[in-house]
Amino acid sequence: RKEVEQDPGPFNVPEGATVAFNCTYSNSASQSFFWYRQDCRKEPKLLMSVYSSGNEDGRFTAQLHRASQYSSLLIRDSKLSDSATYLCVVKDYGKLTFGQGTILTVHP
Amino acid sequence: ETGVTQTPRHLVMGMTNKKSLKCEQHLGHNAMYWYKQSAKKPLELMFVYSLEERVENNSVPSRFSPECPNSSHLFLHLHTLQPEDSALYLCASSQAQGTNTGELFFGEGSRLTVL
Repeated sequence: RKEVEQDPGPFNVPEGATVAFNCTYSNSASQSFFWYRQDCRKEPKLLMSVYSSGNEDGRFTAQLHRASQYSSLLIRDSKLSDSATYLCVVKDYGKLTFGQGTILTVHP
Repeated sequence: ETGVTQTPRHLVMGMTNKKSLKCEQHLGHNAMYWYKQSAKKPLELMFVYSLEERVENNSVPSRFSPECPNSSHLFLHLHTLQPEDSALYLCASSQAQGTNTGELFFGEGSRLTVL
């Protein structure tokens, strides 16, 4: 089993749609969780951290489900500019492990 | 100055060439990283330097040789590479490797093609 697993997609959604991605992780002792965003031909950038109680930032909501060992990212009211690859990242004792990424395309 | 800059942005080299990738960070961070990003694969951590000391080397072939002369600069020396080494090489920096923060600041990457 991969350490961090994501559905690669692509997810194609119309503007205004709500879309959710999941990310599963294999190490139940993993400490911290993050979502990064990578635009086409650009570097990854931190989108948000995932707290045990959940984290909301505008249209984006990240949640952690420790018992089931997965994290989710929800995007509401999708914009064209949300088109990107979303990377799930798990941190264990200082080591960051990246998922493969989920490709999102938002169309008019 | 942007946070993390990488040069060159694009590099084409033959299998017998020797070249180097350069990374410079202007953020005052004390940890720097090299990652490899291949198509349809997760980012692979190659090397980590914390306070200029190499703290992680993920079984990377010896044809890749890192160098960290100070906390602001990181190099990746390349020699006798293989075509499968063609990828995007990303440099990143962070405040401190052992903290709870998961924020890495990446450079735009050096796209390497090995012929």
